[in-house]
Amino acid sequence: DAEITQSPRHKITETGRQVTLACHQTWNHNNMFWYRQDLGHGLRLIHYSYGVHDTNKGEVSDGYSVSRSNTEDLPLTLESAASSQTSVYFCASSGNPSDTEAFFGQGTRLTVV
Amino acid sequence: GQNIDQPTEMTATEGAIVQINCTYQTSGFNGLFWYQQHAGEAPTFLSYNVLDGLEEKGRFSSFLSRSKGYSYLLLKELQMKDSASYLCAVRDPSDSGYALNFGKGTSLLVTP
Repeated sequence: DAEITQSPRHKITETGRQVTLACHQTWNHNNMFWYRQDLGHGLRLIHYSYGVHDTNKGEVSDGYSVSRSNTEDLPLTLESAASSQTSVYFCASSGNPSDTEAFFGQGTRLTVV
Repeated sequence: GQNIDQPTEMTATEGAIVQINCTYQTSGFNGLFWYQQHAGEAPTFLSYNVLDGLEEKGRFSSFLSRSKGYSYLLLKELQMKDSASYLCAVRDPSDSGYALNFGKGTSLLVTP
């Protein structure tokens, strides 16, 4: 069955380190998204991509970057981790046309100490 | 930008009916989605409305009024397993294309 997977599921890192969270989907979806979820804020969009080599900034993109070198993967990089980036991160994907729902990965809980 | 509002918490009794409201103000509109999220898990899709009216899917129904910027999710015959967060999301093509913009979610507690 097609799926979307994130790794790692849990990570603890130190302030200032570079961290990359992986997201891999096997639906052949063009659209991929990264969200963070924090108490009191809900899901907030970090970055998104509509195809290979396409990336766009979301609502809370500062301190994060993404790259899309193939259809299946959209890794999220924290350039220099900060305590404010402690959160649960969700990757999602959706196909075309635009009325299809987004499917979410299981999430990565990141703690920056 | 968007403004998507829903109640923070609700409590209902097993077997009852509960309605979770969502209001939105967005520059554009291309669909409203409801997701369910159990604690520690990923959001899962429940329903989608793009035209005005009611969409029914088993015990769950969702309603949309585009002119009022209003939607609700109706859960019938509540079960204990329905205790979860319910997330309202709007797709605004003028802001972020196909991305979903979420409200803060409504935490529903179903009691015996």
